[in-house]
Amino acid sequence: SQQGEEDPQALSIQEGENATMNCSYKTSINNLQWYRQNSGRGLVHLILIRSNEREKHSGRLRVTLDTSKKSSSLLITASRAADTASYFCATHSGGSNYKLTFGKGTLLTVNP
Amino acid sequence: EPEVTQTPSHQVTQMGQEVILRCVPISNHLYFYWYRQILGQKVEFLVSFYNNEISEKSEIFDDQFSVERPDGSNFTLKIRSTKLEDSAMYFCASSPGQAGNQPQHFGDGTRLSIL
Repeated sequence: SQQGEEDPQALSIQEGENATMNCSYKTSINNLQWYRQNSGRGLVHLILIRSNEREKHSGRLRVTLDTSKKSSSLLITASRAADTASYFCATHSGGSNYKLTFGKGTLLTVNP
Repeated sequence: EPEVTQTPSHQVTQMGQEVILRCVPISNHLYFYWYRQILGQKVEFLVSFYNNEISEKSEIFDDQFSVERPDGSNFTLKIRSTKLEDSAMYFCASSPGQAGNQPQHFGDGTRLSIL
């Protein structure tokens, strides 16, 4: 299995609804990050949650981390059409490791 | 807000040719990265660069790849003797600190098409 796997692979909702995306990983982590990618563009950092944190908020975003289950969730509240994008979780395993390991992403479509 | 810039946005190259992808990281950042994303697949780490040397590389980053920071602003990825399977989006990223403590800032990528 891959480190950082998101589900669902695709999610379609109506504007104003909440969107929840999940991420599971296999190995221990130092932190987990969520990124957004609009079609044809680069990745934009959304939020970073450290392994000793359980929940973090940023505007309409809420991220939870459960290290015992090796999982994280990203909740977007009151979604907007502009939230339409792919969302990726990325893990950093710590130590002298420099890289981020990305999942395959969730494609979120918010219909007006 | 400062951003990472990449050129060109699209590069078409014949198989076997050399290609250089260019990036200008954010000016006060110290860590630099290259990732690639084959169409429809996940973003994959290639290499990280700190203090003028490679700090980590993946198994993808074999002898056909090299990176360089030729001056104080540019960060380049060179692919020698390109193969069809090198076709992908290549993203440059930078961070002020190590990945473990800081988010990475990505450019919009270079789409590399090998014919």
